[in-house]
Amino acid sequence: GAVVSQHPSRVICKSGTSVKIECRSLDFQATTMFWYRQFPKKSLMLMATSNEGSKATYEQGVEKDKFLINHASLTLSTLTVTSAHPEDSSFYICSAREEGKGHNEQFFGPGTRLTVL
Amino acid sequence: AQSVTQLDSHVSVSEGTPVLLRCNYSSSYSPSLFWYVQHPNKGLQLLLKYTSAATLVKGINGFEAEFKKSETSFHLTKPSAHMSDAAEYFCVVRGYNFNKFYFGSGTKLNVKP
Repeated sequence: GAVVSQHPSRVICKSGTSVKIECRSLDFQATTMFWYRQFPKKSLMLMATSNEGSKATYEQGVEKDKFLINHASLTLSTLTVTSAHPEDSSFYICSAREEGKGHNEQFFGPGTRLTVL
Repeated sequence: AQSVTQLDSHVSVSEGTPVLLRCNYSSSYSPSLFWYVQHPNKGLQLLLKYTSAATLVKGINGFEAEFKKSETSFHLTKPSAHMSDAAEYFCVVRGYNFNKFYFGSGTKLNVKP
């Protein structure tokens, strides 16, 4: 089946540093990937839609200069949290939609837990 | 606007007894609805989906859900719980903009031996 991986699974960083999270579709091509954020005991909130070869589309309230998204290939999207602060600590989950398979399903990665000290 | 409400944040059942996880949706058009399961340190896995075909949808691992338009509900059921079913379950509605999935707040299922 369609598998999405994320790296790293956990990261701890100091306040003010930048952190890059990778999302890969392992056995399919994904023109569209999505980045979600999950707060403790809360639901997933869509942050942005990542489109291969074009700029990401950010949801209202999400700072595009803080959460940089790059989707350089059909199997890789990256989320960079710039100048991270403790309030950015969260669980970040990506998903991917398989090219040519319609809009009915997203395949989710295992998530990356970011802790900013 | 689209949204889903999961009525129970925690559900606890004994192994072998039925499972009912409740979900109500709000949508201004005919929705596509999904149930996903999240095990600790694992990605979300699709259990089943409704996309305007049969209203009773069968999914993996013995789960099923029934779309009831009159009640705006899409409850998830399983006749007999297994210990491996313990996880967090999310009800999701797909937005009119196909890109957007709107997640419910999740229901944590605990299965007692």
